[in-house]
Amino acid sequence: DVKVTQSSRYLVKRTGEKVFLECVQDMDHENMFWYRQDPGLGLRLIYFSYDVKMKEKGDIPEGYSVSREKKERFSLILESASTNQTSMYLCASSLGLANTGELFFGEGSRLTVL
Amino acid sequence: GEDVEQSLFLSVREGDSSVINCTYTDSSSTYLYWYKQEPGAGLQLLTYIFSNMDMKQDQRLTVLLNKKDKHLSLRIADTQTGDSAIYFCAERGALLSAFGNEKLTFGTGTRLTIIP
Repeated sequence: DVKVTQSSRYLVKRTGEKVFLECVQDMDHENMFWYRQDPGLGLRLIYFSYDVKMKEKGDIPEGYSVSREKKERFSLILESASTNQTSMYLCASSLGLANTGELFFGEGSRLTVL
Repeated sequence: GEDVEQSLFLSVREGDSSVINCTYTDSSSTYLYWYKQEPGAGLQLLTYIFSNMDMKQDQRLTVLLNKKDKHLSLRIADTQTGDSAIYFCAERGALLSAFGNEKLTFGTGTRLTIIP
């Protein structure tokens, strides 16, 4: 079974703090994604990566950056957390081209910024 | 950008059929998906349909696709309490990014509540 593990299920941070959200997948998937989930807005794509050290902006990249130094690990960074970044963050991975495109999700990291 | 729309809430009596609807705008969609999210968990793929199909059945689940109207539905027969969850529609287009069509666009999710 594919496993996507997000290191922190719940975090509470203060405005202005730097926040790291870590995600690891164990199935050698090429693609990794960070989404945020907000009630009534569904899932919105922040960033994705299709290879080590490669990244592409999603729909809402402002205020976020990412790092992919190893194939299995994809980190989301909030350089200076703000209250409007309080949300559920979901990491996902998928195989590369020529597949059904199924995303495998982690359990989510709920971030509260005070 | 592309858009995927769903109703936010649906309530169904236990044992009845649930029908969750979704509309999308991307006429070049290749795959369409239904994901389920249980409380406190991530999303899990329930089923998907390729865009050249109009129906797919998998046990209690039936997916109908009307490509002309860009309408997707998920029917759950004999709805049980364990079906209580948020259901997300998603589509995969054939567009945009440098490496191909790997991104999925999700709807807002429909919260399904089962009435005993």
